[in-house]
Amino acid sequence: GEDVEQSLFLSVREGDSSVINCTYTDSSSTYLYWYKQEPGAGLQLLTYIFSNMDMKQDQRLTVLLNKKDKHLSLRIADTQTGDSAIYFCAEKDTGRRALTFGSGTRLQVQP
Amino acid sequence: DAGVTQSPTHLIKTRGQQVTLRCSPKSGHDTVSWYQQALGQGPQFIFQYYEEEERQRGNFPDRFSGHQFPNYSSELNVNALLLGDSALYLCASSLNPETVTQYFGPGTRLLVL
Repeated sequence: GEDVEQSLFLSVREGDSSVINCTYTDSSSTYLYWYKQEPGAGLQLLTYIFSNMDMKQDQRLTVLLNKKDKHLSLRIADTQTGDSAIYFCAEKDTGRRALTFGSGTRLQVQP
Repeated sequence: DAGVTQSPTHLIKTRGQQVTLRCSPKSGHDTVSWYQQALGQGPQFIFQYYEEEERQRGNFPDRFSGHQFPNYSSELNVNALLLGDSALYLCASSLNPETVTQYFGPGTRLLVL
């Protein structure tokens, strides 16, 4: 079945870049997503990438996809304290309507 | 433009009781999906509703049921509550079942004692 793995925790200093990593097992994954969840809140869609793309950039966010290794990363440039949250990687293929999520990476930004 | 709304925000029930959670999708969206997020975990797909019918279901028992109304809003019902049903229940809406993006509401936090 589908599986999505993420590291649990990342700590960075304000102003540095953050890189959050994710691996997935489903080779038919067509879409890959990054969601952000702040304490006590729902999920905010940050960005997504099609599996036929290698990279997508959106302001401070850069998504890299290595389809051969089934590895997805999210780079946040100039990380701010407001970026402190849990970041979820998710995948979906065209045959399914559901998103499959990882367990989330808690990003802590030190001032 | 209102996003996805859910009610109530918090709920406390006891084992064996039944609960109903409500969701209104984003304006213009006709598809609603429900997810369960246990503490420290990522969301798990429960089911999706489109055209007032359940279209796909995750690995959840029949105690979990739902409904979609003609105005596209949706309810999630859970019968015979167990302690393990304590979680954040998230509703997500999308423009249609095939749309790439799903937008999530703030969730309902359910505590079962």
